[in-house]
Amino acid sequence: GEDVEQSLFLSVREGDSSVINCTYTDSSSTYLYWYKQEPGAGLQLLTYIFSNMDMKQDQRLTVLLNKKDKHLSLRIADTQTGDSAIYFCAESINTGRRALTFGSGTRLQVQP
Amino acid sequence: GAGVSQTPSNKVTEKGKYVELRCDPISGHTALYWYRQSLGQGPEFLIYFQGTGAADDSGLPNDRFFAVRPEGSVSTLKIQRTERGDSAVYLCASSLAASDSPLHFGNGTRLTVT
Repeated sequence: GEDVEQSLFLSVREGDSSVINCTYTDSSSTYLYWYKQEPGAGLQLLTYIFSNMDMKQDQRLTVLLNKKDKHLSLRIADTQTGDSAIYFCAESINTGRRALTFGSGTRLQVQP
Repeated sequence: GAGVSQTPSNKVTEKGKYVELRCDPISGHTALYWYRQSLGQGPEFLIYFQGTGAADDSGLPNDRFFAVRPEGSVSTLKIQRTERGDSAVYLCASSLAASDSPLHFGNGTRLTVT
């Protein structure tokens, strides 16, 4: 079955790196996504990685995928107060369903 | 360009009433999705359209929930005989048809059933 888990909360100081972790259970996941949600807003796609990749970098964001351990992480370099939000990990599975399964989200708090 | 637009942004209704929530996808996106997000949770899948047809409605919780997309663009999520447990943020997303196309979400409609 599909299950995506994330820790609930992370607090960092401005300028430090943040690492948000996610584990998933379905080994047939094809794509894994990171979304950001600010208060009262919808989900903003940050980045995504295909399951045959180990790493993807996009400016301050680095995604690492350990397929053996079914572990995904998002590293934000030089974290800013504007990065404070809830971050959701999501997986998709290569079926006709095309639905994403989301984790419960990690609230990132950036202290000035 | 314009993103996914959802109206209304907030809806308060009384238990037992009927509501309609509207979604305008990104122009050219043939795939459209509805999700429901309860407080403190991630979004949960409700239904997926490819064009005008519902390709997967397995996430709809019961037969009080129904969605249409008659012309393959705008979609309406309809909830009959609303219950307090239906209170949540209803999110719409759209994407291109290809299986590797990411979903783009609207800001959601916050539904409160009193």
